[in-house]
Amino acid sequence: AQTVTQSQPEMSVQEAETVTLSCTYDTSENNYYLFWYKQPPSRQMILVIRQEAYKQQNATENRFSVNFQKAAKSFSLKISDSQLGDTAMYFCASLSSGDKLTFGTGTRLAVRP
Amino acid sequence: GAVVSQHPSWVICKSGTSVKIECRSLDFQATTMFWYRQFPKQSLMLMATSNEGSKATYEQGVEKDKFLINHASLTLSTLTVTSAHPEDSSFYICSARDIEASGSYNEQFFGPGTRLTVL
Repeated sequence: AQTVTQSQPEMSVQEAETVTLSCTYDTSENNYYLFWYKQPPSRQMILVIRQEAYKQQNATENRFSVNFQKAAKSFSLKISDSQLGDTAMYFCASLSSGDKLTFGTGTRLAVRP
Repeated sequence: GAVVSQHPSWVICKSGTSVKIECRSLDFQATTMFWYRQFPKQSLMLMATSNEGSKATYEQGVEKDKFLINHASLTLSTLTVTSAHPEDSSFYICSARDIEASGSYNEQFFGPGTRLTVL
């Protein structure tokens, strides 16, 4: 079974600043994928970034990047130059065989103007 | 591309009635769709995996007779909440996986969700 833990229920950041959201996971599989999803007030789930476990290089997508520490089973999300539109719930998730996504409990991020 | 729709977006029903929620992949075919449930301020919990042309696979603790899933075509899966009760009130989200996506990983695309309120 896979577990995903997000220890920060809420975070706040000033607009244009940088914020890091934490995530740890546990899996017994050798090949897996990790994700960060954004859920704005509209409740639509949006994929922010994806990391393949066999790749050592950290994934980046514009202002979003991850710090993937495989040995520590850590997968944090860094948002640079935070924008008001980044205000949302952020879920860390892992993908197991069978394509089942396991989500963390989420971090509510508020970007202050 | 890769759009998933859900209908209705919200529904209010009386206790004891049944409610059907549709999940459609609009521009791709999906042999597999997933149904999630999300309580307020909580995470998404997988309820079941819907496979086209076969029976759905339910997660532990999910009553298959209460949450009926039908995946009759490559673009449509339905979730029917039978004899709904107030405790079934929740946000239901579906996702679909593109069967023709290349690579070792097939991304799941999420629908906008359906808010169910049972009075």
